[in-house]
Amino acid sequence: SQQGEEDPQALSIQEGENATMNCSYKTSINNLQWYRQNSGRGLVHLILIRSNEREKHSGRLRVTLDTSKKSSSLLITASRAADTASYFCATEGGSYIPTFGRGTSLIVHP
Amino acid sequence: ETGVTQTPRHLVMGMTNKKSLKCEQHLGHNAMYWYKQSAKKPLELMFVYNFKEQTENNSVPSRFSPECPNSSHLFLHLHTLQPEDSALYLCASSQNADGAYNEQFFGPGTRLTVL
Repeated sequence: SQQGEEDPQALSIQEGENATMNCSYKTSINNLQWYRQNSGRGLVHLILIRSNEREKHSGRLRVTLDTSKKSSSLLITASRAADTASYFCATEGGSYIPTFGRGTSLIVHP
Repeated sequence: ETGVTQTPRHLVMGMTNKKSLKCEQHLGHNAMYWYKQSAKKPLELMFVYNFKEQTENNSVPSRFSPECPNSSHLFLHLHTLQPEDSALYLCASSQNADGAYNEQFFGPGTRLTVL
């Protein structure tokens, strides 16, 4: 399965700190996406990184991709209480349908 | 707002009831999806429709029956459900389901409780 697995499962930090979440997967991919989900709501797309890209930025988000290690990381800099949510990676391979992991639950304390 | 709406937002039903979940997208997309989200489990893909044709059925029990009358609407008909079917049911859409870089747009979900 090319399903991504996020690590850690839960992360608790103070406002202003950086939050780093990791995603590992097993098979080759076309791209990897990160999504965010507020409690009991739908997922919102954050960023997509293609298999030939190594790093991508969007505002306070920085995503890296290491295809040799089959892993990706999502860094949120200068976190805010409003960043509290679950974060999912989704890998897209031959089927062109993103496959999601269990997610990392992030709590940012004000 | 993501451009994908789902109704109802909450549903409580008995095991003998028949109910339907509705999803509508206003994005001009050609692909629509049903996912099941249970606590502590990965998001489970249930069904995929691409240009109104079902292209994926991820071994979903027949008590869940999808319907896609057009590219903008997707239904999930429910009958004789089990308590373990209680979950958040998410609908999503994307430009299509047979091309790469397939960003998905999700609805807010229907929280289903089966008594």
